[in-house]
Amino acid sequence: EPEVTQTPSHQVTQMGQEVILRCVPISNHLYFYWYRQILGQKVEFLVSFYNNEISEKSEIFDDQFSVERPDGSNFTLKIRSTKLEDSAMYFCASSELEKIQETQYFGPGTRLLVL
Amino acid sequence: GQQLNQSPQSMFIQEGEDVSMNCTSSSIFNTWLWYKQDPGEGPVLLIALYKAGELTSNGRLTAQFGITRKDSFLNISASIPSDVGIYFCAGQPNFGNEKLTFGTGTRLTIIP
Repeated sequence: EPEVTQTPSHQVTQMGQEVILRCVPISNHLYFYWYRQILGQKVEFLVSFYNNEISEKSEIFDDQFSVERPDGSNFTLKIRSTKLEDSAMYFCASSELEKIQETQYFGPGTRLLVL
Repeated sequence: GQQLNQSPQSMFIQEGEDVSMNCTSSSIFNTWLWYKQDPGEGPVLLIALYKAGELTSNGRLTAQFGITRKDSFLNISASIPSDVGIYFCAGQPNFGNEKLTFGTGTRLTIIP
């Protein structure tokens, strides 16, 4: 069964450093998302992406964040200058088409720790 | 913003017992979903609900979309050890490609 994959599974970085989290969505999917989950808390929406542009973003997704689809298979989340509070699990998700009953499929996540 | 509150926050049950949890919202959602998250993994979709009043089953799981569109419940019958995990409800304003708003989660633990 096709699945969303994410790399790396874990990343440790120093505060102020840039990080890039990578995702390979399911191959025929057209909508891509990033969510994050701070330890012990609920999953929160960051951004959605379609047709090479951001569809929607949350208040969390400030100027320090950016997303890109650099090629036909990868979808990346960049945090330019990490802060301690960026430590969280970051999940990528994808969905197929603009249908009424379309499901978002989640990847296994990247655990980011900012020191 | 929109808030989804789940109850209970945690449950400790014995294997074989039935489980019931619910989710309430401060605003209307037209799609309700229930996800399960195992430790260190991403959420996995269990059940999706698209119509107010809808009752849907997936094996031992049953979920209902509340008539007011502001609540949903999930039941698990005859719990087994692999049911352990965190259950999240999630809502979407309309349809599948909109952002998901997740609930606060219910942690299920099965006592041996």
